[in-house]
Amino acid sequence: AQTVTQSQPEMSVQEAETVTLSCTYDTSESDYYLFWYKQPPSRQMILVIRQEAYKQQNATENRFSVNFQKAAKSFSLKISDSQLGDAAMYFCAYRSEDHGGFKTIFGAGTRLFVKA
Amino acid sequence: ETGVTQSPTHLIKTRGQQVTLRCSSQSGHNTVSWYQQALGQGPQFIFQYYREEENGRGNFPPRFSGLQFPNYSSELNVNALELDDSALYLCASSLPPGALNTEAFFGQGTRLTVV
Repeated sequence: AQTVTQSQPEMSVQEAETVTLSCTYDTSESDYYLFWYKQPPSRQMILVIRQEAYKQQNATENRFSVNFQKAAKSFSLKISDSQLGDAAMYFCAYRSEDHGGFKTIFGAGTRLFVKA
Repeated sequence: ETGVTQSPTHLIKTRGQQVTLRCSSQSGHNTVSWYQQALGQGPQFIFQYYREEENGRGNFPPRFSGLQFPNYSSELNVNALELDDSALYLCASSLPPGALNTEAFFGQGTRLTVV
């Protein structure tokens, strides 16, 4: 069974600095997707960035980038120039196709605090 | 805003009762997934519906059931509520596997409290 592990329950960063959130996963599949979601106090899950496993190039979205190490099954998120609005819960997620549908597995989350 | 709406936003039920939660998917999305998020944890996959049929299920008992309607909206039904069913229930809509863009859009969730 697939699992997703986020080993940092909480992280803190100074405004304008850079922070890296860690995520490891376990799977025997070769074709899958990885995601980072942000969940602010409003509760709505917002997609931050996605990575297709077949792509070697690391995904980037403005201030957000990932370090995808497929062999090591590692998928970390780097947030550059942190802003107060980045404070939220961040979830790493793994998705594969299962019997014609999706099955998404989330990690336990990392709470990010941003200090002014 | 994602275009995925869930109702109600909050709900309090008594142990043993039944509850129905509702989700309207984003326009054009015919795949709906439901998740349970207990306090302080990540979401757990309950099941997924595509073309009005369940096509994937997580480790949840049969008292968790669902429906999808022709307009792609969906319901999650939970019978014989237990205290541990207290959680945030999230709905996500997307296009099905094989589509060009299968990004999932989440609603704001329904906070269910069982007393």
